[in-house]
Amino acid sequence: NAGVTQTPKFRVLKTGQSMTLLCAQDMNHEYMYWYRQDPGMGLRLIHYSVGEGTTAKGEVPDGYNVSRLKKQNFLLGLESAAPSQTSVYFCASSPGQGARGYTFGSGTRLTVV
Amino acid sequence: DAKTTQPTSMDCAEGRAANLPCNHSTISGNEYVYWYRQIHSQGPQYIIHGLKNNETNEMASLIITEDRKSSTLILPHATLRDTAVYYCIVSARPGANNLFFGTGTRLTVIP
Repeated sequence: NAGVTQTPKFRVLKTGQSMTLLCAQDMNHEYMYWYRQDPGMGLRLIHYSVGEGTTAKGEVPDGYNVSRLKKQNFLLGLESAAPSQTSVYFCASSPGQGARGYTFGSGTRLTVV
Repeated sequence: DAKTTQPTSMDCAEGRAANLPCNHSTISGNEYVYWYRQIHSQGPQYIIHGLKNNETNEMASLIITEDRKSSTLILPHATLRDTAVYYCIVSARPGANNLFFGTGTRLTVIP
């Protein structure tokens, strides 16, 4: 039972490059989320999904795109990376029914130079 | 969703109970209180949640005041591995699509 798996764990990008972060969950959860966390700050929601084929904007969506083609996967894309996107990215999932907690992945540390 | 207020940091002696307070004076009747923790750069970990009644699980106890304007997370016997940032979050919607994490309380367990 892996829970929520994020790949890659670390990545260094040059400004302007693109990349995709992958989140996979094996708990059959309906809801999935992408957060970013900057040093000394709490988590901020980027995008989320309430089911396969759906996506919605969170608090800080600019510069990111997402896709949920399969229920178990939630992809976060950076089309043209900027130094301001240097952060730790966390994916999470939740059942979507009932007041249950989120399950988080271990994070992706992204540096844009 | 209601906002919360937590102390920035707290210390606790190893083996003693750690009591982490949270104020949520604007909480609505249908809003739950959630607690998460984040251990050094790892992903946040769900601890416990409650609506009105006190709750207990294998990790912690959650005490919610009768007026629901504040709550306390209790770690009964703190260990060094409990050193982490603890987030108190209030949210109305089950499986809510936006938990506001804030900056939490940094708990340091001292040997």
